[in-house]
Amino acid sequence: GAGVSQSPRYKVAKRGQDVALRCDPISGHVSLFWYQQALGQGPEFLTYFQNEAQLDKSGLPSDRFFAERPEGSVSTLKIQRTQQEDSAVYLCASSPMTRQGAREQFFGPGTRLTVL
Amino acid sequence: AQTVTQSQPEMSVQEAETVTLSCTYDTSESNYYLFWYKQPPSRQMILVIRQEAYKQQNATENRFSVNFQKAAKSFSLKISDSQLGDTAMYFCAFMKTQGGSEKLVFGKGMKLTVNP
Repeated sequence: GAGVSQSPRYKVAKRGQDVALRCDPISGHVSLFWYQQALGQGPEFLTYFQNEAQLDKSGLPSDRFFAERPEGSVSTLKIQRTQQEDSAVYLCASSPMTRQGAREQFFGPGTRLTVL
Repeated sequence: AQTVTQSQPEMSVQEAETVTLSCTYDTSESNYYLFWYKQPPSRQMILVIRQEAYKQQNATENRFSVNFQKAAKSFSLKISDSQLGDTAMYFCAFMKTQGGSEKLVFGKGMKLTVNP
């Protein structure tokens, strides 16, 4: 089946603009994660959903960042009043619910956000 | 908080050689998972191998194997018979098993180049 998809793949925003990044997880995957990957760095956790519930948003860097997953499938990461330091690749990952063991996270291709 | 350290930013090897990528981590948890992820140029992050901390036996997946030293908090990846397709960024990652959101904590990554 299809993997995790993200749109747009590239986004250029002027400083101060709002942006919305979309993630379509693998069908049936319960868990959904957002990560931020700055250039030359490893991904850093932003937030986590289990179905429609946002269980962990400890990684969101400021109140300008907001994520939602209203029907437990597609998720949107919104960044208000973008700043240059928001420039990064935003990765979405989804994971099935399994009885035991670490649930492998399947990553999307990411959205590269450039704030001018 | 957990931290993951990859001290080698870059390595290059010849095709068919064996290479070892190092990773250390810091945690007070006794149960957790460790992962190696691969991120090829302009492609999605994919799981290479995982290790459960309570298992003493080192994980292997075809040409990929790990050397897990729990007491030393070390988790190195060995790639045997390197292939051109192994060229990628490699990330070591940690996941708690309890009381957390199953978020991944990544190292900064290591760029591996396999030369013909």
